[in-house]
Amino acid sequence: KAGVTQTPRYLIKTRGQQVTLSCSPISGHRSVSWYQQTPGQGLQFLFEYFSETQRNKGNFPGRFSGRQFSNSRSEMNVSTLELGDSALYLCASSLRATSSYEQYFGPGTRLTVT
Amino acid sequence: LAKTTQPISMDSYEGQEVNITCSHNNIATNDYITWYQQFPSQGPRFIIQGYKTKVTNEVASLFIPADRKSSTLSLPRVSLSDTAVYYCLVASRDTGRRALTFGSGTRLQVQP
Repeated sequence: KAGVTQTPRYLIKTRGQQVTLSCSPISGHRSVSWYQQTPGQGLQFLFEYFSETQRNKGNFPGRFSGRQFSNSRSEMNVSTLELGDSALYLCASSLRATSSYEQYFGPGTRLTVT
Repeated sequence: LAKTTQPISMDSYEGQEVNITCSHNNIATNDYITWYQQFPSQGPRFIIQGYKTKVTNEVASLFIPADRKSSTLSLPRVSLSDTAVYYCLVASRDTGRRALTFGSGTRLQVQP
């Protein structure tokens, strides 16, 4: 089975621009979560989608948004980029949205904002 | 929101048992405690999860006391390839929604 794929792997953007990141979950997985990882803040939860519905959201400003499509693929969007948005953005998929967090992570998208 | 605390780093030697503890208060009553391993330039990899008492799989054991305010990941007989960062993940309830919190990570260095 193919793992979680994320595109693009690397991205350089300018402050004020917007960016869209894509995630394809493992086949059959219906839950997709997004995380931001930085050296200073560590791994922080952004949001979780299941069957095209956002089920949970972390403590991030409204500039961060996401969506999930009927084939379970997910995208996240960051508008009006700030220097502090530079991070590794990780997507994880799991079979279902339950209290169990056995998630499978993709390799991440490294976003650099200049 | 749950607060988690893990040691920043640990050192060990090949063949030794390593125990990494994560303290977590205010976790959701019905959610599992999960541990992940992360190597440089890779996403975290699921190791083990548990709800209470002890869980064991082919790579690790997880000990959770009755009050669920902490959990201990036990790696038996570590090898050089276990050098990585280890994270606990817990869930808590915040105004009716589930909030996920990763620990700050424990950097394990295994020496020959």
